[in-house]
Amino acid sequence: DAGVTQSPTHLIKTRGQHVTLRCSPISGHKSVSWYQQVLGQGPQFIFQYYEKEERGRGNFPDRFSARQFPNYSSELNVNALLLGDSALYLCASSLGPSSYEQYFGPGTRLTVT
Amino acid sequence: GNSVTQMEGPVTLSEEAFLTINCTYTATGYPSLFWYVQYPGEGLQLLLKATKADDKGSNKGFEATYRKETTSFHLEKGSVQVSDSAVYFCALSEDDYKLSFGAGTTVTVRA
Repeated sequence: DAGVTQSPTHLIKTRGQHVTLRCSPISGHKSVSWYQQVLGQGPQFIFQYYEKEERGRGNFPDRFSARQFPNYSSELNVNALLLGDSALYLCASSLGPSSYEQYFGPGTRLTVT
Repeated sequence: GNSVTQMEGPVTLSEEAFLTINCTYTATGYPSLFWYVQYPGEGLQLLLKATKADDKGSNKGFEATYRKETTSFHLEKGSVQVSDSAVYFCALSEDDYKLSFGAGTTVTVRA
Protein backbone atom coordinates (compact mmCIF):
# COMPACT_ATOMS: atom_id res chain seq x y z
CA ASP A 1 0.00 0.00 0.00
CA ALA A 2 1.15 3.54 -0.71
CA GLY A 3 2.18 5.65 2.23
CA VAL A 4 1.36 9.31 2.74
CA THR A 5 2.16 11.24 -0.41
CA GLN A 6 2.83 14.94 -0.73
CA SER A 7 3.24 17.23 -3.69
CA PRO A 8 5.21 18.99 -4.87
CA THR A 9 8.52 17.75 -3.48
CA HIS A 10 10.22 21.10 -3.75
CA LEU A 11 8.91 24.59 -4.38
CA ILE A 12 10.49 28.02 -4.74
CA LYS A 13 8.34 31.12 -4.29
CA THR A 14 8.98 34.82 -3.81
CA ARG A 15 7.83 36.97 -0.92
CA GLY A 16 4.19 37.99 -1.08
CA GLN A 17 3.13 35.05 -3.25
CA HIS A 18 0.66 32.33 -2.36
CA VAL A 19 1.38 28.60 -2.19
CA THR A 20 -0.75 25.44 -2.06
CA LEU A 21 0.67 22.16 -0.78
CA ARG A 22 -1.12 18.86 -1.20
CA CYS A 23 -1.31 15.67 0.81
CA SER A 24 -2.91 12.27 0.20
CA PRO A 25 -3.31 10.12 3.31
CA ILE A 26 -2.91 6.39 3.55
CA SER A 27 -5.99 4.63 2.23
CA GLY A 28 -8.57 4.31 5.00
CA HIS A 29 -7.09 7.09 7.12
CA LYS A 30 -9.53 9.90 7.88
CA SER A 31 -7.31 12.28 9.82
CA VAL A 32 -4.64 14.56 8.35
CA SER A 33 -2.27 16.82 10.28
CA TRP A 34 0.14 19.44 8.98
CA TYR A 35 3.49 20.36 10.57
CA GLN A 36 6.17 22.93 9.73
CA GLN A 37 9.80 21.91 10.23
CA VAL A 38 12.30 24.75 10.05
CA LEU A 39 15.89 23.63 9.45
CA GLY A 40 17.51 22.43 12.65
CA GLN A 41 14.26 22.36 14.63
CA GLY A 42 11.56 19.84 15.38
CA PRO A 43 8.24 19.90 13.55
CA GLN A 44 5.65 22.45 14.75
CA PHE A 45 1.94 21.59 14.63
CA ILE A 46 -0.14 23.70 12.23
CA PHE A 47 -3.52 21.97 11.75
CA GLN A 48 -5.39 18.74 12.18
CA TYR A 49 -8.43 17.77 10.12
CA TYR A 50 -10.68 14.82 10.84
CA GLU A 51 -13.67 13.89 8.73
CA LYS A 52 -13.28 17.18 6.85
CA GLU A 53 -13.56 19.30 10.00
CA GLU A 54 -10.75 21.32 11.58
CA ARG A 55 -10.03 19.68 14.91
CA GLY A 56 -7.07 21.70 16.05
CA ARG A 57 -4.89 24.62 15.12
CA GLY A 58 -1.40 25.55 16.24
CA ASN A 59 0.06 28.97 16.87
CA PHE A 60 0.27 30.10 13.26
CA PRO A 61 -1.07 33.33 11.67
CA ASP A 62 -4.25 33.49 9.64
CA ARG A 63 -2.13 33.47 6.47
CA PHE A 64 -2.10 29.71 6.97
CA SER A 65 -5.25 27.81 6.09
CA ALA A 66 -6.15 24.26 5.17
CA ARG A 67 -9.01 22.08 4.14
CA GLN A 68 -9.81 18.41 3.77
CA PHE A 69 -11.72 16.96 0.85
CA PRO A 70 -14.36 14.18 0.76
CA ASN A 71 -11.64 11.69 -0.26
CA TYR A 72 -9.68 12.78 2.89
CA SER A 73 -6.86 14.39 0.93
CA SER A 74 -5.85 17.80 2.17
CA GLU A 75 -4.43 21.13 1.04
CA LEU A 76 -2.38 23.60 3.04
CA ASN A 77 -2.49 27.18 1.78
CA VAL A 78 -0.14 29.96 2.78
CA ASN A 79 -0.80 33.54 1.66
CA ALA A 80 1.54 36.55 1.56
CA LEU A 81 4.64 34.41 1.93
CA LEU A 82 7.46 35.61 4.17
CA LEU A 83 11.10 34.55 4.14
CA GLY A 84 10.46 32.87 7.50
CA ASP A 85 7.95 30.52 5.90
CA SER A 86 10.84 28.65 4.28
CA ALA A 87 10.67 25.17 5.78
CA LEU A 88 9.84 21.52 5.25
CA TYR A 89 6.07 21.05 5.45
CA LEU A 90 5.06 17.63 6.69
CA CYS A 91 1.73 15.92 6.38
CA ALA A 92 0.75 13.05 8.67
CA SER A 93 -2.26 10.77 8.49
CA SER A 94 -3.90 8.50 11.03
CA LEU A 95 -6.95 6.29 11.19
CA GLY A 96 -8.70 8.49 13.71
CA PRO A 97 -8.17 11.77 15.49
CA SER A 98 -5.75 10.38 18.07
CA SER A 99 -2.15 11.38 17.64
CA TYR A 100 -0.98 7.80 18.20
CA GLU A 101 0.41 6.01 15.15
CA GLN A 102 0.66 9.04 12.92
CA TYR A 103 2.26 8.23 9.56
CA PHE A 104 4.30 11.02 8.04
CA GLY A 105 4.89 11.83 4.40
CA PRO A 106 8.28 12.85 2.99
CA GLY A 107 7.38 16.53 3.08
CA THR A 108 7.41 19.50 0.73
CA ARG A 109 10.49 21.71 0.86
CA LEU A 110 9.36 25.34 0.43
CA THR A 111 11.93 28.04 -0.20
CA VAL A 112 10.83 31.67 -0.14
CA THR A 113 13.20 34.16 -1.75
CA GLY B 1 2.50 25.23 27.50
CA ASN B 2 3.91 21.86 26.58
CA SER B 3 7.54 21.55 25.57
CA VAL B 4 10.19 18.94 24.98
CA THR B 5 13.93 19.35 25.51
CA GLN B 6 16.33 16.78 24.13
CA MET B 7 20.09 16.57 24.20
CA GLU B 8 21.88 18.46 21.50
CA GLY B 9 23.81 16.61 18.87
CA PRO B 10 25.39 15.59 16.81
CA VAL B 11 26.26 12.31 18.46
CA THR B 12 28.91 10.11 16.82
CA LEU B 13 29.40 6.52 17.96
CA SER B 14 31.19 3.40 16.87
CA GLU B 15 29.25 0.25 16.01
CA GLU B 16 28.19 -1.80 19.04
CA ALA B 17 28.46 1.22 21.35
CA PHE B 18 25.74 2.12 23.86
CA LEU B 19 23.47 4.99 22.88
CA THR B 20 21.53 7.30 25.20
CA ILE B 21 19.59 10.35 24.08
CA ASN B 22 18.17 12.40 26.92
CA CYS B 23 14.66 13.84 26.72
CA THR B 24 12.78 15.85 29.34
CA TYR B 25 9.37 17.41 29.04
CA THR B 26 7.11 20.07 30.50
CA ALA B 27 3.38 19.47 30.53
CA THR B 28 0.41 20.53 32.61
CA GLY B 29 -1.16 17.08 32.77
CA TYR B 30 -0.23 13.53 31.92
CA PRO B 31 0.99 13.40 28.34
CA SER B 32 1.75 10.46 26.11
CA LEU B 33 5.40 10.32 25.06
CA PHE B 34 6.94 9.26 21.77
CA TRP B 35 10.23 8.81 19.98
CA TYR B 36 10.23 9.35 16.22
CA VAL B 37 13.13 8.62 13.87
CA GLN B 38 13.97 10.19 10.53
CA TYR B 39 16.36 8.15 8.40
CA PRO B 40 18.25 9.97 5.63
CA GLY B 41 15.93 10.80 2.76
CA GLU B 42 12.85 9.38 4.48
CA GLY B 43 9.88 10.69 6.43
CA LEU B 44 9.37 10.60 10.19
CA GLN B 45 8.57 7.16 11.60
CA LEU B 46 7.20 6.30 15.01
CA LEU B 47 9.89 4.35 16.86
CA LEU B 48 8.18 3.75 20.22
CA LYS B 49 5.66 5.22 22.61
CA ALA B 50 4.51 5.17 26.25
CA THR B 51 1.14 6.40 27.41
CA LYS B 52 1.43 6.45 31.22
CA ALA B 53 3.98 6.69 33.99
CA ASP B 54 6.41 3.75 34.32
CA ASP B 55 5.43 2.38 30.90
CA LYS B 56 8.37 1.17 28.84
CA GLY B 57 8.22 1.53 25.07
CA SER B 58 10.48 -0.68 22.99
CA ASN B 59 11.15 -1.37 19.31
CA LYS B 60 14.12 -2.46 17.16
CA GLY B 61 16.33 -2.79 20.26
CA PHE B 62 15.51 0.74 21.44
CA GLU B 63 13.87 1.36 24.82
CA ALA B 64 12.52 4.35 26.74
CA THR B 65 10.78 4.48 30.12
CA TYR B 66 8.21 7.13 31.05
CA ARG B 67 9.52 8.68 34.29
CA LYS B 68 6.94 11.02 35.78
CA GLU B 69 9.05 11.91 38.82
CA THR B 70 11.87 13.23 36.64
CA THR B 71 9.64 14.20 33.66
CA SER B 72 11.95 12.25 31.39
CA PHE B 73 11.77 9.75 28.53
CA HIS B 74 15.38 8.91 27.67
CA LEU B 75 16.04 6.73 24.61
CA GLU B 76 18.57 3.90 24.92
CA LYS B 77 20.02 1.15 22.76
CA GLY B 78 22.60 -1.29 23.96
CA SER B 79 24.49 -1.95 20.72
CA VAL B 80 24.04 0.43 17.80
CA GLN B 81 24.55 -0.41 14.12
CA VAL B 82 25.46 1.77 11.17
CA SER B 83 21.83 1.48 10.06
CA ASP B 84 20.77 3.36 13.23
CA SER B 85 22.28 6.57 11.85
CA ALA B 86 19.36 9.01 11.75
CA VAL B 87 17.76 12.02 13.42
CA TYR B 88 15.79 11.12 16.56
CA PHE B 89 12.92 13.27 17.85
CA CYS B 90 11.30 13.10 21.26
CA ALA B 91 7.65 14.20 21.28
CA LEU B 92 4.64 14.46 23.55
CA SER B 93 0.91 14.72 23.14
CA GLU B 94 -1.37 15.96 25.87
CA ASP B 95 -4.61 16.73 24.09
CA ASP B 96 -4.61 13.76 21.82
CA TYR B 97 -4.54 15.47 18.49
CA LYS B 98 -1.21 17.26 18.17
CA LEU B 99 2.40 16.33 18.75
CA SER B 100 4.95 18.67 20.34
CA PHE B 101 8.48 17.77 19.20
CA GLY B 102 11.96 18.39 20.52
CA ALA B 103 14.62 19.85 18.24
CA GLY B 104 15.99 16.46 17.23
CA THR B 105 19.33 14.71 17.82
CA THR B 106 21.47 13.61 14.90
CA VAL B 107 23.17 10.26 15.49
CA THR B 108 25.96 8.94 13.28
CA VAL B 109 27.28 5.41 13.79
CA ARG B 110 30.67 4.59 12.30
CA ALA B 111 31.65 1.09 11.19
